[in-house]
Amino acid sequence: SAVISQKPSRDICQRGTSLTIQCQVDSQVTMMFWYRQQPGQSLTLIATANQGSEATYESGFVIDKFPISRPNLTFSTLTVSNMSPEDSSIYLCSVGGTQVVTEAFFGQGTRLTVV
Amino acid sequence: LAKTTQPISMDSYEGQEVNITCSHNNIATNDYITWYQQFPSQGPRFIIQGYKTKVTNEVASLFIPADRKSSTLSLPRVSLSDTAVYYCLVGVNTNAGKSTFGDGTTLTVKP
Repeated sequence: SAVISQKPSRDICQRGTSLTIQCQVDSQVTMMFWYRQQPGQSLTLIATANQGSEATYESGFVIDKFPISRPNLTFSTLTVSNMSPEDSSIYLCSVGGTQVVTEAFFGQGTRLTVV
Repeated sequence: LAKTTQPISMDSYEGQEVNITCSHNNIATNDYITWYQQFPSQGPRFIIQGYKTKVTNEVASLFIPADRKSSTLSLPRVSLSDTAVYYCLVGVNTNAGKSTFGDGTTLTVKP
């Protein structure tokens, strides 16, 4: 299993500012994933963060808006840039399992409110 | 990735068995079926995964018919604490962290 810690757990931010969310895993993993969960909605994959290379973004998400860092095999950050109220969501990081029955492990999420 | 269809919501009472069915008509040969549970203000949590027939663990059972075009998550004797959103996912299990979540089923367990 993997234990994932996210910081901050929640924040209220002014529009036009940026917030960086940190994700720490208790074991080394090749890939980390960032998701967005808008209020009352399901999860949507934002991007895949690989150590040593640029993140791979899903359709509808761009690096200028959601820059990602992956400095080592246990840590990643997601920045939500130039925020607007539409960015108010829960942001979660995830890693894949390594066992035969492969499962994903998720952090508790960062609840972001943009005012 | 195969699209999944689940009921939007279900109600149950404590002590009952709950069955949530997921349709995935376009499931591919290499796809596995995985179910997650999500409580408010928490990330999703893995419940069970299977490829065919029946899988059982300490939490739930997963029934998959021979054509694999659907699957049923069975929760025995639910309690109030089982109130959550349940997601059915279909995909290759070698990259579980990269998942496509459907709309999920909101299960409400009543006393």
